[in-house]
Amino acid sequence: GENVEQHPSTLSVQEGDSAVIKCTYSDSASNYFPWYKQELGKRPQLIIDIRSNVGEKKDQRIAVTLNKTAKHFSLHITETQPEDSAVYFCAASRGTDKLIFGTGTRLQVFP
Amino acid sequence: NAGVTQTPKFQVLKTGQSMTLQCAQDMNHEYMSWYRQDPGMGLRLIHYSVGAGITDQGEVPNGYNVSRSTTEDFPLRLLSAAPSQTSVYFCASRAQPRNEQFFGPGTRLTVL
Repeated sequence: GENVEQHPSTLSVQEGDSAVIKCTYSDSASNYFPWYKQELGKRPQLIIDIRSNVGEKKDQRIAVTLNKTAKHFSLHITETQPEDSAVYFCAASRGTDKLIFGTGTRLQVFP
Repeated sequence: NAGVTQTPKFQVLKTGQSMTLQCAQDMNHEYMSWYRQDPGMGLRLIHYSVGAGITDQGEVPNGYNVSRSTTEDFPLRLLSAAPSQTSVYFCASRAQPRNEQFFGPGTRLTVL
């Protein structure tokens, strides 16, 4: 079955700097890759997703890149702000099949 | 729309007790799933369902049962609670064809 590895487990950056979180997946048939943000005590919420027919997707300060050959994808956050502090999860699935998550990255943005 | 709802929000059980965590969604989503979240372990899939009457196992199914008699409801049953099942449980449903998955607010379960 699918296995998703995520790193780093913790990431500390200064406000205004960029943050990058990386994930690798094992199932070459996976074609849907979402990223979720979870604030303390809250439910995970989708922030961006990408499909395997696209190499990069941007939404304001957030971007995701996908390398199908290497089976890895990354989340890029530019101009980080204190409110970006949260736990971020990557995930992978084959279309509408089960969604498997990485172990999460705790991002801290210091003012 | 209420989205995905879960009850209860908190629960304390003794070892060996059984209980059912409730999950409901009003978005007419075919796909529903249960995850458990433990520190440092991320979100691990317990069971999932692709439609009424169809369920399948996820990554960590042992000790849990599910059924899906309607599109709206997907209850998770703990047959004989163990301390290792202390966790936060999230129910989720998934939109087609966008694939976006929505989570419920979670249930914090403690087994003593």
